[in-house]
Amino acid sequence: SQKIEQNSEALNIQEGKTATLTCNYTNYSPAYLQWYRQDPGRGPVFLLLIRENEKEKRKERLKVTFDTTLKQSLFHITASQPADSATYLCALRWDYKLSFGAGTTVTVRA
Amino acid sequence: DTAVSQTPKYLVTQMGNDKSIKCEQNLGHDTMYWYKQDSKKFLKIMFSYNNKELIINETVPNRFSPKSPDKAHLNLHINSLELGDSAVYFCASSQDLGGGTEAFFGQGTRLTVV
Repeated sequence: SQKIEQNSEALNIQEGKTATLTCNYTNYSPAYLQWYRQDPGRGPVFLLLIRENEKEKRKERLKVTFDTTLKQSLFHITASQPADSATYLCALRWDYKLSFGAGTTVTVRA
Repeated sequence: DTAVSQTPKYLVTQMGNDKSIKCEQNLGHDTMYWYKQDSKKFLKIMFSYNNKELIINETVPNRFSPKSPDKAHLNLHINSLELGDSAVYFCASSQDLGGGTEAFFGQGTRLTVV
């Protein structure tokens, strides 16, 4: 069955630096991969979607890449700010399920 | 106007009781979901519904029974609650089952079974 792995449970970085998060999946290659942000006590909020034929997608200070050969997506937060502190989840859909990785908690120090 | 709303936000109950969580979406979406997020924060899908029809039951015990009276509502009823049911339950919706559609989540219901 499909497995989604986010390599780091936690990432601590200094304000202004770039945070890079990894999402790996096994087996079936999805046509789309999604990234969400979850703040404590809140539901996940959609950030970005990238298609299999797109190598890179950007939204403001966020950048996502998708390598179907490596079965990997990278999520970058550039010029990080303390307000970016949250848990970031990757998600993909197969078998009519939208399934999530375990998430990476990012803490940005001022 | 809240897109996906679920009630109650908090639920504390004793073992063996039966409880329900309600969910409504006003986005006109065809697909709705229930997820469970445990103490380790892993978000695990429980059910997927499309146009009121059950699509996925992800090996959830029979004590959990979702009900979708219409496309805008997906309620979750839990019988004979157990300590291990304590978690945060999220309702979500998406336009359809396509991989290119994003999901919108409710604020969650924190269920504590004592």
